[in-house]
Amino acid sequence: SAVISQKPSRDICQRGTSLTIQCQVDSQVTMMFWYRQQPGQSLTLIATANQGSEATYESGFVIDKFPISRPNLTFSTLTVSNMSPEDSSIYLCSVEGGRGRSYEQYFGPGTRLTVT
Amino acid sequence: AQKVTQAQTEISVVEKEDVTLDCVYETRDTTYYLFWYKQPPSGELVFLIRRNSFDEQNEISGRYSWNFQKSTSSFNFTITASQVVDSAVYFCALTRGGANSKLTFGKGITLSVRP
Repeated sequence: SAVISQKPSRDICQRGTSLTIQCQVDSQVTMMFWYRQQPGQSLTLIATANQGSEATYESGFVIDKFPISRPNLTFSTLTVSNMSPEDSSIYLCSVEGGRGRSYEQYFGPGTRLTVT
Repeated sequence: AQKVTQAQTEISVVEKEDVTLDCVYETRDTTYYLFWYKQPPSGELVFLIRRNSFDEQNEISGRYSWNFQKSTSSFNFTITASQVVDSAVYFCALTRGGANSKLTFGKGITLSVRP
């Protein structure tokens, strides 16, 4: 399985500020995904990030609020902009495959964000 | 559109009991993939199993077993002789794979195993 790390693991931020979350994978992957898990809820896909192209956002999520970078095949960042308490969630990055195992999706440890 | 239903929200069992977590899915795709993930209190999402739509063979891994039935669009998960460490939230998920591999998750089932 792919080994995925995220930074920071948790943060407490003030409303109106922005936080950039980093996701690093130990192997080259084509697709990376960013999910949000609000307290007590299931996971919802924010966007899909392919290297060399613009991220594709799901309904209800916009680039101005959640800009994403994908500079290479092992790294991506998600920024949560102009934060409000409603953005308090766990943010997880996910990759498909890794080491040739397609259609198996693995998740990073998540970033627990609290907005006050 | 794809949909995953986990009708059970919370299950509580005593250690060593067997427990089955239900998952029902909806999709129009003929090729798709089903997953189970475990999310312990630490929050990390742990991959348990992937099953593709062409493989209806049941699978057993230690105390875990999975029953995939296309006829009822179900992919149920059984834990035999449950242990306290099995306490977690369990998610069932679905993807069509290929160029659009995003996962559609169910709402999750909170399993509590009491000593």
